[in-house]
Amino acid sequence: GEDVEQSLFLSVREGDSSVINCTYTDSSSTYLYWYKQEPGAGLQLLTYIFSNMDMKQDQRLTVLLNKKDKHLSLRIADTQTGDSAIYFCAESIRYSSASKIIFGSGTRLSIRP
Amino acid sequence: KAGVTQTPRYLIKTRGQQVTLSCSPISGHRSVSWYQQTPGQGLQFLFEYFSETQRNKGNFPGRFSGRQFSNSRSEMNVSTLELGDSALYLCASSESTGTKNIQYFGAGTRLSVL
Repeated sequence: GEDVEQSLFLSVREGDSSVINCTYTDSSSTYLYWYKQEPGAGLQLLTYIFSNMDMKQDQRLTVLLNKKDKHLSLRIADTQTGDSAIYFCAESIRYSSASKIIFGSGTRLSIRP
Repeated sequence: KAGVTQTPRYLIKTRGQQVTLSCSPISGHRSVSWYQQTPGQGLQFLFEYFSETQRNKGNFPGRFSGRQFSNSRSEMNVSTLELGDSALYLCASSESTGTKNIQYFGAGTRLSVL
């Protein structure tokens, strides 16, 4: 089946690292994505990783992929108040002659002083 | 390049009316997908259009329909509105080259049904 699961909430202290986790079920996933949604806005692509990679780093963001366990994580270093948002994990899976994107339910990240 | 543009940003309708939402994709993008986002159900896929053809469809009633024009702009229509249709409707465009399929989202149209 096609399912992407995330925990609903995460609270971290400003300056600490945030780790948002995601699990997916479809082994034919080719690309996995992290999106950020701020209040009243659309989804903003943060980063993505190809399924044959284990890790991708982009400034404060680190994506780790464990393909065996179908587990994806997003680490945000030195979390700031501007990182408060909902973070969506998504996977791209083959579908007929194209692909489709399956989104998780989103993790709401809140930052405490 | 300009991003994905959705119009209008806000809309208030009453039950039983119909509504049309518009989405202009990023220049060169041929795929447009529509999503409904509500606090209770999260982000739900409505449908995807590619080269004026509906390629994928989610599990929504026939009151929800869409179309895509030759310039890749897309419209979504909801007929006989119900209170439960109140939501943020998001449009995303992509180049849709194989499986990479990176989707870029617009800011959304917030629909309130009274």
